[in-house]
Amino acid sequence: DIVMTQSPDSLAVSLGERATINCKSSQSVLYSSNNKNYLGWYQQKPGQPPKLLIYWASTRESGVPDRFSGSGSGTDFTLTISSLQAEDVAVYYCQQYFSVPFTFGPGTKVDIK
Amino acid sequence: EVQLLESGGGLVQPGGSLRLSCATSGFTFAGYAMTWVRQAPGKGLEWVSAISGSGDTAFYADSVKGRFTISTDSSKNTLYLQMNSLKIEDTATYYCAKGLIRSCYGGLDYWGQGTLVTVSS
Repeated sequence: DIVMTQSPDSLAVSLGERATINCKSSQSVLYSSNNKNYLGWYQQKPGQPPKLLIYWASTRESGVPDRFSGSGSGTDFTLTISSLQAEDVAVYYCQQYFSVPFTFGPGTKVDIK
Repeated sequence: EVQLLESGGGLVQPGGSLRLSCATSGFTFAGYAMTWVRQAPGKGLEWVSAISGSGDTAFYADSVKGRFTISTDSSKNTLYLQMNSLKIEDTATYYCAKGLIRSCYGGLDYWGQGTLVTVSS
């Protein structure tokens, strides 16, 4: 199984400042045939289901604010919130869908400092 | 508008069975993979099972393989999860989610609100 790790476990950022979340997979999730990274990012607010933010590691889902961006390739990925807003307080998960089981990372909790 | 509505959760004794349903609307059901993801109280997300849009490919987490069965009814645009031999550790909120593509190898772009399954004596 591909093991997903995230760092940090939690972070507190001032409003308007940058938040950076890292995700690492135990094996590469880059499919060489199409040069796509099989990696997604989700946001989950308390009492709500997860919401897709980023897929194929760097493609922003429709309707997601452009302050959210994804980067990385192979085994190392980053979700960046360029200017943290109050509504961004949530837990963020990465997920690989390269090989079964399609594992999630443990989550990173983002709060306001 | 895409909508996913889970039902069928509840309290069940260890060793018992439940069938979860996920009624969908707003998209061509057979054109997209569907997935079940669960979340134990206060814990993270755990991928459980997925089925391709064509219904001919299904995958399971090791923790549920042989006990859970995923299926679809295209005539009703509904996804199911038959859960047998339930264990205490299966207690969780179960979400159904729509895939981005027909294949299971894609992200999950729409999620239901979830249905709570509690396994307890």
